[in-house]
Amino acid sequence: GENVEQHPSTLSVQEGDSAVIKCTYSDSASNYFPWYKQELGKRPQLIIDIRSNVGEKKDQRIAVTLNKTAKHFSLHITETQPEDSAVYFCAASIHGATNKLIFGTGTLLAVQP
Amino acid sequence: NAGVTQTPKFRILKIGQSMTLQCTQDMNHNYMYWYRQDPGMGLKLIYYSVGAGITDKGEVPNGYNVSRSTTEDFPLRLELAAPSQTSVYFCASSPRTGITDTQYFGPGTRLTVL
Repeated sequence: GENVEQHPSTLSVQEGDSAVIKCTYSDSASNYFPWYKQELGKRPQLIIDIRSNVGEKKDQRIAVTLNKTAKHFSLHITETQPEDSAVYFCAASIHGATNKLIFGTGTLLAVQP
Repeated sequence: NAGVTQTPKFRILKIGQSMTLQCTQDMNHNYMYWYRQDPGMGLKLIYYSVGAGITDKGEVPNGYNVSRSTTEDFPLRLELAAPSQTSVYFCASSPRTGITDTQYFGPGTRLTVL
């Protein structure tokens, strides 16, 4: 079946450093790639997303890049802050339907003050 | 707007019992979803619905049933609960594709089956 692999599973950075989380997907029909942030005990919330016709998207300190040929996409967080500490999930749409998502297994990001 | 709401927040079931997890959204979204999240894992899609009266299976539908009689409500039914169904269950909704694909999640239901 289709799957999404996410690395690393845990990431510890110093405040102010950058953090990069990488995902690869298997479905060549995937065309929508969201990233969700989940704080401890809370619900997942969308932080940024990208579609297959775009190579990069930025929103303040957060950016996502997509390489369709290699089937991988990455989340970049610059100037990390303690409130960025959370679990981050990537996801990819499957079967050409943007509303049906396969999620990665998550990355626990810890930003040390 | 309350967004997506779920009840109950917590529940302990005995093996073989049944229960219904409730999910309601007040955003007039067409699409609704049920996910489960096991410790240290991502979200797995159980069932989804593209509108009232239409439901379809996701990755892990076995042991669950759903119905969608209204736009607002999407209950998830567990029949004959098993320890493997111990998990956190999230309901989500999104507007019709083409407007935005953002999925909005409810606060979750933590279910333990003993």
